[in-house]
Amino acid sequence: AQKVTQAQTEISVVEKEDVTLDCVYETRDTTYYLFWYKQPPSGELVFLIRRNSFDEQNEISGRYSWNFQKSTSSFNFTITASQVVDSAVYFCALSVGYGGSQGNLIFGKGTKLSVKP
Amino acid sequence: DSGVTQTPKHLITATGQRVTLRCSPRSGDLSVYWYQQSLDQGLQFLIQYYNGEERAKGNILERFSAQQFPDLHSELNLSSLELGDSALYFCASSASGQGHQPQHFGDGTRLSIL
Repeated sequence: AQKVTQAQTEISVVEKEDVTLDCVYETRDTTYYLFWYKQPPSGELVFLIRRNSFDEQNEISGRYSWNFQKSTSSFNFTITASQVVDSAVYFCALSVGYGGSQGNLIFGKGTKLSVKP
Repeated sequence: DSGVTQTPKHLITATGQRVTLRCSPRSGDLSVYWYQQSLDQGLQFLIQYYNGEERAKGNILERFSAQQFPDLHSELNLSSLELGDSALYFCASSASGQGHQPQHFGDGTRLSIL
């Protein structure tokens, strides 16, 4: 069975602090994809990043960076120099299979990040 | 703006009633997914359609049904509504429906059962 665990329910930081959101996944598939989504207070779900199981290179996009480690089944998300606008619930998600397999997302419970000025 | 349109944004109804939620996918996307977000269950996959055909089913109740029309818009029908069906219902779309493609979400329909 597939599962995504986000152990941190809520995190509160002060603006300009760095913060890391943890994500641990479980799957027996060798081909899978990991995603992060952001849900701001307005409620929509915004796609942030996708990684596939064959690419363990870390990725950086502005203040956001992602660390994928297959050895620990983790796909952690770091926000550097956090800003108030980063306040949101962040979801890690897993999708398995390729080439005709179903593509539904399995979500973690989410981590609510509050960035205070 | 994700390009996925969901209507209505809010829906208030009573137990036992039936409602229809509508979703228009992004231009060019053939696959539509429905998800339910509730406080106790989190974000759960309900059902997926690809080019008019059902492709995958998740934790969808028998009281719920969906379809995707030839113009690719989709409708989620919820019947015999119960208090526990109150939730935020999201529609998402992707180009082909395969696992590697990002899904882009609409703003959701907030359903409140009184």
